[in-house]
Amino acid sequence: GAVVSQHPSWVICKSGTSVKIECRSLDFQATTMFWYRQFPKQSLMLMATSNEGSKATYEQGVEKDKFLINHASLTLSTLTVTSAHPEDSSFYICSARAGTTELYEQYFGPGTRLTVT
Amino acid sequence: GQNIDQPTEMTATEGAIVQINCTYQTSGFNGLFWYQQHAGEAPTFLSYNVLDGLEEKGRFSSFLSRSKGYSYLLLKELQMKDSASYLCAPMDSNYQLIWGAGTKLIIKP
Repeated sequence: GAVVSQHPSWVICKSGTSVKIECRSLDFQATTMFWYRQFPKQSLMLMATSNEGSKATYEQGVEKDKFLINHASLTLSTLTVTSAHPEDSSFYICSARAGTTELYEQYFGPGTRLTVT
Repeated sequence: GQNIDQPTEMTATEGAIVQINCTYQTSGFNGLFWYQQHAGEAPTFLSYNVLDGLEEKGRFSSFLSRSKGYSYLLLKELQMKDSASYLCAPMDSNYQLIWGAGTKLIIKP
């Protein structure tokens, strides 16, 4: 089956620093990758959608200058949280969609737990 | 607006059957997904329905009625490892998945 990896799986950083999270599709080419954030006991919140080679589309209320997304290739997307603050502490999950039609399911990475101190 | 309605929590007994209902309202519709999410982990794909009717996959089945904006996930022969949250996620006209908070399923021995 389709496998998506994320690195790191967890990270602790100090307030004001930046953190980069990588999302890779290991055995398929992902034309579209999604970045989600999930707070405890809450639903997944879509942050942005990225297509390879083009700028990410951010959801309303998500600061694009704070959450930098780069979809450099068909197997790699990165999310950089810049100038992190404690309120950015959350579970960040990426997903990837294979194929060229919209109806393919999204395969999720294992998530990255970010704690900002 | 777009809305998902699922029970917050359900409890069932090991070996039994449980049905998790989901009603939804979306701007357009391009199918509905069910995902399983264990605590502290990312969601994993369970099923996808785009036409009315029942899709069976092993112990799990999913049903869709587009006219009623209704779906359910049926889990048979429950196992302790089925304790998780179950997320109903319809896809809207922009092919975006709409996520609710999910149903937390607790399995008791």
